[in-house]
Amino acid sequence: DTGVSQNPRHKITKRGQNVTFRCDPISEHNRLYWYRQTLGQGPEFLTYFQNEAQLEKSRLLSDRFSAERPKGSFSTLEIQRTEQGDSAMYLCASSLDRGQETQYFGPGTRLLVL
Amino acid sequence: AQTVTQSQPEMSVQEAETVTLSCTYDTSESNYYLFWYKQPPSRQMILVIRQEAYKQQNATENRFSVNFQKAAKSFSLKISDSQLGDTAMYFCALVQGAQKLVFGQGTRLTINP
Repeated sequence: DTGVSQNPRHKITKRGQNVTFRCDPISEHNRLYWYRQTLGQGPEFLTYFQNEAQLEKSRLLSDRFSAERPKGSFSTLEIQRTEQGDSAMYLCASSLDRGQETQYFGPGTRLLVL
Repeated sequence: AQTVTQSQPEMSVQEAETVTLSCTYDTSESNYYLFWYKQPPSRQMILVIRQEAYKQQNATENRFSVNFQKAAKSFSLKISDSQLGDTAMYFCALVQGAQKLVFGQGTRLTINP
């Protein structure tokens, strides 16, 4: 399977703990996106990378959130000092360069903060 | 700012019927792409169909087709001969270039046997 993969698929944590999620994009895709989806809503954009460069961050991405894509391949999203409001599905998507704007999504990581 | 609106929170039809999901959007750009994504219960989001704004011809993918009205900023999805496996949340989305997708609120579609 050469689709977008995300790990872990589920994460339960206590408020105040740090969590880290990983996304592996489709191998030839150099653009990588993170979205957050709460129950019954459409995904909301968090941030995106062109290769290893982080080009845009949403206002939703508070100081407790950080994302990296150190070698332009996989990406990590870390949430520090988690809050109950961080409970959501975190989706990763990837795409090719300009001219192929279709984004392909991974299965997501469902986070529950107790 | 770009916005996408889906005015039908839920829809339900019988198997084999045709159903149309509505979507309107707003953007100041002339070059953009529109998508319909499907998210089955507890499963990942998958692309159903895409439309380039510069193309006048409506996109078609097997039983799925769109009615793209650029001037009215309308982008509806028609599902013909609906099947049980079409049961899912459907999201309309807009993107310009390599930027973020802007999603609507979704329509929960149920196909009844």
